[in-house]
Amino acid sequence: EPEVTQTPSHQVTQMGQEVILRCVPISNHLYFYWYRQILGQKVEFLVSFYNNEISEKSEIFDDQFSVERPDGSNFTLKIRSTKLEDSAMYFCASSEELNNEQFFGPGTRLTVL
Amino acid sequence: QKEVEQNSGPLSVPEGAIASLNCTYSDRGSQSFFWYRQYSGKSPELIMFIYSNGDKEDGRFTAQLNKASQYVSLLIRDSQPSDSATYLCAVSPSGGSYIPTFGRGTSLIVHP
Repeated sequence: EPEVTQTPSHQVTQMGQEVILRCVPISNHLYFYWYRQILGQKVEFLVSFYNNEISEKSEIFDDQFSVERPDGSNFTLKIRSTKLEDSAMYFCASSEELNNEQFFGPGTRLTVL
Repeated sequence: QKEVEQNSGPLSVPEGAIASLNCTYSDRGSQSFFWYRQYSGKSPELIMFIYSNGDKEDGRFTAQLNKASQYVSLLIRDSQPSDSATYLCAVSPSGGSYIPTFGRGTSLIVHP
């Protein structure tokens, strides 16, 4: 069964460093998303992406964040200058259509020291 | 602010019983409703979605939607210890956005 994959599974970084989280969505899906979940808290939407551009973003997704689809398969989230409060699980998701079921990847645990 | 509320639990049920998980939402125009299961340290896994009022059954799971009362519930029949997880309710809003808002989740414990 096709699935969303994410790398790395765990990323440790120093405050102020840049990180890039990678995702490979399900191949026939057209809509891609990034969410984060701080430990013990709810899943929060960051950004959605369709047709090579951002379609929606939340208040969390400020200028420190960017997304890119560098090729036909990868979808990346970049955090330019990480802060301690960026420590969380970051989930990539994809869906075939808008307002359709979203399938989540296994997540990347980001730890900012 | 669109809210999705769930009792955090834990909800404890014996093996073989019916587990009933509830979710209320504030956006009356919401169109789509999803239930995800999340094991500790893992990602959310979609188990049910429902768009229309009434019941939708899939195996041991039944989703129930009542738009007038703005709640959606998930019933798990013949609960198994492997069902022990946090269940997340997600609601897609009205007004042009299709991004679901997640509740905090209800922790379910099924004890043998």
